[in-house]
Amino acid sequence: KQEVTQIPAALSVPEGENLVLNCSFTDSAIYNLQWFRQDPGKGLTSLLLIQSSQREQTSGRLNASLDKSSGRSTLYIAASQPGDSATYLCAVPNSGYSTLTFGKGTMLLVSP
Amino acid sequence: KAGVTQTPRYLIKTRGQQVTLSCSPISGHRSVSWYQQTPGQGLQFLFEYFSETQRNKGNFPGRFSGRQFSNSRSEMNVSTLELGDSALYLCASSWGGTGSDTEAFFGQGTRLTVV
Repeated sequence: KQEVTQIPAALSVPEGENLVLNCSFTDSAIYNLQWFRQDPGKGLTSLLLIQSSQREQTSGRLNASLDKSSGRSTLYIAASQPGDSATYLCAVPNSGYSTLTFGKGTMLLVSP
Repeated sequence: KAGVTQTPRYLIKTRGQQVTLSCSPISGHRSVSWYQQTPGQGLQFLFEYFSETQRNKGNFPGRFSGRQFSNSRSEMNVSTLELGDSALYLCASSWGGTGSDTEAFFGQGTRLTVV
């Protein structure tokens, strides 16, 4: 059974810092890995999707990497801003089971 | 391009009542999945519909049911509501299904409160 772990559970940084969020998964036979952002009480916003054949994916100040062999992904946020404050979730699909397995998320607070 | 639309956004129901939630996926997407999110359990899979057929179901009691229409819109129904059903219910839309290699897009969710 696929398990996804995110470290740290919470992170508080001052504005302007570069930061890294970590995601690990137990079953490396994945199609892809997706990073989401969730604001309090809201839905999930897809940030980046990395296919299993890719090593990195970039969108603006966000960069996500994927190492299938070690079962790890990182989300790098450059020059953090207060508007980046949210919970960040990673998820992997369960082949043949029509589901995504999510980590518990990293709650990020960026202070002005 | 319109995103995933969930209605209503908020609901307050009494124990024992039933409720129906609606999800309209992105145009062209054939798969709709439903998830329950609570502070203690995180995101838990309810079920997935693909081209009007339920492909998979999570570990929830039979009080939770769903369906998908020919236009891919989906509804989920919860009967005999319990206090523990209070949660944020999220709908995900994708072309191939959330267990495939295609990207999943989520709606804003329906916040259900059972009193």
